[in-house]
Amino acid sequence: DAGITQSPRYKITETGRQVTLMCHQTWSHSYMFWYRQDLGHGLRLIYYSAAADITDKGEVPDGYVVSRSKTENFPLTLESATRSQTSVYFCASSHLAGGYTFGSGTRLTVV
Amino acid sequence: DQQVKQNSPSLSVQEGRISILNCDYTNSMFDYFLWYKKYPAEGPTFLISISSIKDKNEDGRFTVFLNKSAKHLSLHIVPSQPGDSAVYFCAASAIKTSGSRLTFGEGTQLTVNP
Repeated sequence: DAGITQSPRYKITETGRQVTLMCHQTWSHSYMFWYRQDLGHGLRLIYYSAAADITDKGEVPDGYVVSRSKTENFPLTLESATRSQTSVYFCASSHLAGGYTFGSGTRLTVV
Repeated sequence: DQQVKQNSPSLSVQEGRISILNCDYTNSMFDYFLWYKKYPAEGPTFLISISSIKDKNEDGRFTVFLNKSAKHLSLHIVPSQPGDSAVYFCAASAIKTSGSRLTFGEGTQLTVNP
């Protein structure tokens, strides 16, 4: 199916564990982004990528790692999960400057 | 430093009336503005946008107004419908300097009462 998909939809993990959130898009969009949504903060940019093998930090990158070996995939890894990383994570892609298409989100709980 | 601010966390209006959602920004380099709508358990979806060369853009029941001198934009929904109940995010980008990066506001929860 065409679109942008995130997996898993829900994840519970323990403090200190490594966890990877997946994002896959079928449009071959150049740009991909990871945001987290927290009450009172809206959507904050974690990392973004302008093309395969090109990634850059956003507003809140600490504790996260990304890679983009293929245009269609943009996984986000929490190297050692902390409770402050409990959030809803959204992946987005964009072909042209300005317009994003978002995935359905991953709700991550760190206990 | 919150470059895009939505000062009203929530707004409640009656069905059929006008909903006005507000957004302020501080970065004078922003030249493209968007509104996204988000339902629970779904990702945000694009609603309407406006370039800094315009002061108004209309799409059906939705109109976005941009006041560059005040660094303020607003989204008008007329008439409001119960299905419009959602969180609305204002977003801005500085295309010439930041390309596709969008900066979002905190969001406003709109509730339209039947």
